This record gives sequence, structure tokens and C-alpha cells, in this order.
Amino acid sequence: GAGVSQSPSNKVTEKGKDVELRCDPISGHTALYWYRQSLGQGLEFLIYFQGNSAPDKSGLPSDRFSAERTGGSVSTLTIQRTQQEDSAVYLCASSPGQGLNGYTFGSGTRLTVV
Amino acid sequence: GQQVMQIPQYQHVQEGEDFTTYCNSSTTLSNIQWYKQRPGGHPVFLIQLVKSGEVKKQKRLTFQFGEAKKNSSLHITATQTTDVGTYFCAGHTGNQFYFGTGTSLTVIP
Repeated sequence: GAGVSQSPSNKVTEKGKDVELRCDPISGHTALYWYRQSLGQGLEFLIYFQGNSAPDKSGLPSDRFSAERTGGSVSTLTIQRTQQEDSAVYLCASSPGQGLNGYTFGSGTRLTVV
Repeated sequence: GQQVMQIPQYQHVQEGEDFTTYCNSSTTLSNIQWYKQRPGGHPVFLIQLVKSGEVKKQKRLTFQFGEAKKNSSLHITATQTTDVGTYFCAGHTGNQFYFGTGTSLTVIP
């Protein structure tokens, strides 16, 4: 597609439920990042995929968080047993190569855990 | 660990006044990128600087990369209401890509 697509745009879930967030990067972009942004806050790095290399998971806040990237394209971020502190906007960004000419962000998924 | 701090955190200016945000990294960056996030929106890439001491301009926006490649600044001349948003710097250290804490700009008409 023309841009980075994220779905759903909004998700309300009950505490303790699992959620899956999807990111469709721009076709051909090898680099893909997931960030989390709480209201009025900065961007918290979660995970980084680059081509077929092993992902950099160093930003995942707990073992309840995991992410996959199938076929070097679509990525799914899964949060198990959601907690209220997981409420935030989850942003995906992609870039060709190493991102040395900027990243394109999706519109994000606003997750609310009630 | 790596930290990229921005000051100020918030800035309110009258329309027509100038605005500057400063970005400081705890380690040397291979490049610096700037993004703008409008309220309710997502970050949008503005520009990248790579060379030590580099200065780039986009209309009323002037971007600088420090000599030591550890700091950067964004200066907006004669702000307009369309400049409202949060400005983030970001940079690469190796394969890691770090965002600054952001400066939220409010422009009062």
C-alpha cells in the first residue's frame, strides 16, 4: 500500500484478555519498529525487525509482550493477559534499509484496557 | 543506557515569535532525524542530518547537528498556528534508533 497500515485503529479490551495488533508496512521496507506512546508522552521503543535478521526485542517491557514478522512483511504485536498500564497508542514504523532516510509511521492502534 | 533528552518539554509562544527545541544525546549519534507529531496524529519525518556541524533549512525551520554529533536543535522563525505539535529528535547508535523526549509547542494566535 501507499503507507503503513495498522489495525485495529482502536481496541478496548478487558483486563486479563489477550490482544493482537497488526502492522502492514510499506511494500519492500525491510526495517520495522514498534513503539508505544502513552498520553502526552514520548515514544517507547518495543521491538525492531530488520530483514531476516533476529529481531531486537530489548524494549519489550515484559514477557507478556511478543511480536512476529511473517515473510519479512506484516508484523503482529501480541499482548497477553493485558493490564491497565498497557493502555497506550501502539505505533508501527517502517523504512527501506536501515532507516537512514527517515521512518514512515502508521496511524497507530489506541489500546484501552478496562 | 542511551538517553536522548529534549528541552524544553513544553513551550507556549505567541504567533510570530521564534521557537527553539534542543536535543541532547548521552552518546554519539551517527545521524539525527526530526519528526513532527500533530495533536492526535502520528510522527511525520521532517529531515535528517548526518554530518558534524551540518545545518539544513526548510522554509522557516532551521536544523543543526552539533560538532560532536551528540546534540541538535530545531529553530522555527516566526511561528504560525500550523506549527502546533510535538517535535521529536531521533538518532541511530549502531542498529538502535532512539527518540528524544519531545517538545510540545503551543502557538497562541
